[in-house]
Amino acid sequence: KQEVTQIPAALSVPEGENLVLNCSFTDSAIYNLQWFRQDPGKGLTSLLLIQSSQREQTSGRLNASLDKSSGRSTLYIAASQPGDSATYLCSGRGSTLGRLYFGRGTQLTVWP
Amino acid sequence: DVKVTQSSRYLVKRTGEKVFLECVQDMDHENMFWYRQDPGLGLRLIYFSYDVKMKEKGDIPEGYSVSREKKERFSLILESASTNQTSMYLCASSPRGGGRRETQYFGPGTRLLVL
Repeated sequence: KQEVTQIPAALSVPEGENLVLNCSFTDSAIYNLQWFRQDPGKGLTSLLLIQSSQREQTSGRLNASLDKSSGRSTLYIAASQPGDSATYLCSGRGSTLGRLYFGRGTQLTVWP
Repeated sequence: DVKVTQSSRYLVKRTGEKVFLECVQDMDHENMFWYRQDPGLGLRLIYFSYDVKMKEKGDIPEGYSVSREKKERFSLILESASTNQTSMYLCASSPRGGGRRETQYFGPGTRLLVL
């Protein structure tokens, strides 16, 4: 069973900072790594998906990387804004197609 | 745009009641999932389904059952609700196949309170 850990659990930064959220997983036999965003009381929204054959994906100010050998993924947010405040969750898929294992998330607050 | 809808945003039920949570997706996805989310525990998979009439147990299926009679609809059933089932319930769907097609799309969630 894949165990996914996210550090830090919470992060509070001023607007404009570049920041890194970390995710680690126990089983290097990971197929896909996906980052989600969750606003309070809402469902999850997919941000980036990195396939096992890829090293990184970019979308706007977001960049996610995957290093299978070390069991780590990072989500880089450039020039953070108050609208980025949310909980960010990392998930990985093992050998079972479609079945994801989630970390507990990093709660991000960006203050003006 | 993929849309996953859940029948209720908020639900209050009494201990021992039978509770139905409905989830509908409009993108013809084969895979559907039910999670619960609790503070400090994160998302935990209850059940999932790869196709109509198929179901697979997740990590915490005890006290729950599911029904998938139609491809677009996946129902979660609490046979006899208990207070420890008070939680946020999230439904998700994804298309069959690997790679980028595995993105899961989530509904807005149902916050269930069992008294």
